[in-house]
Amino acid sequence: DAGITQSPRHKVTETGTPVTLRCHQTENHRYMYWYRQDPGHGLRLIHYSYGVKDTDKGEVSDGYSVSRSKTEDFLLTLESATSSQTSVYFCASGTQRGYNEQFFGPGTRLTVL
Amino acid sequence: GQQVMQIPQYQHVQEGEDFTTYCNSSTTLSNIQWYKQRPGGHPVFLIQLVKSGEVKKQKRLTFQFGEAKKNSSLHITATQTTDVGTYFCAGEETSYDKVIFGPGTSLSVIP
Repeated sequence: DAGITQSPRHKVTETGTPVTLRCHQTENHRYMYWYRQDPGHGLRLIHYSYGVKDTDKGEVSDGYSVSRSKTEDFLLTLESATSSQTSVYFCASGTQRGYNEQFFGPGTRLTVL
Repeated sequence: GQQVMQIPQYQHVQEGEDFTTYCNSSTTLSNIQWYKQRPGGHPVFLIQLVKSGEVKKQKRLTFQFGEAKKNSSLHITATQTTDVGTYFCAGEETSYDKVIFGPGTSLSVIP
């Protein structure tokens, strides 16, 4: 497996608090993605990045922001967590558009009380 | 926007039976990818199909991409307990940097 790690792996937080999830990859991949996974919905794209400081919105970006200051790091921030953001969050990275096998991290289970 | 659908949502099979999951996109795709996620794990890339009508095989798994590049299927011959998991298709539209995942088909194999 590609070297992709996520931190933290588990987090419990309260409604209204900001939360930042970190994704780190050692593969020098250009593309990075944040997904959330909920029962019955599969994987839904939150935001993605196609280079340092280059990001764009996915299907479910409301309430989330991202930053990518280095190739290897992609941060996902929940500005003010809500219970509807309780989910499993996966980060992924890939080499190029069009032939873009994605390598997934182990996931972060986030619970918002 | 683009939507990707998969059927069935769940499938329970006896070990040794065959299994097929179908993926349909609302738009024409430049390519389609398939991933497998074991229970409690993360998605793992299986294959990518690019050409219209393409068929690829990986041991007991056969992947097809439709002629119109809007649908795909994954067929597993003689399922084994190691095949348990959720299978996702992910379609990428031309000129986009992202793929849209289907909701997945969860496969259970009864020994």
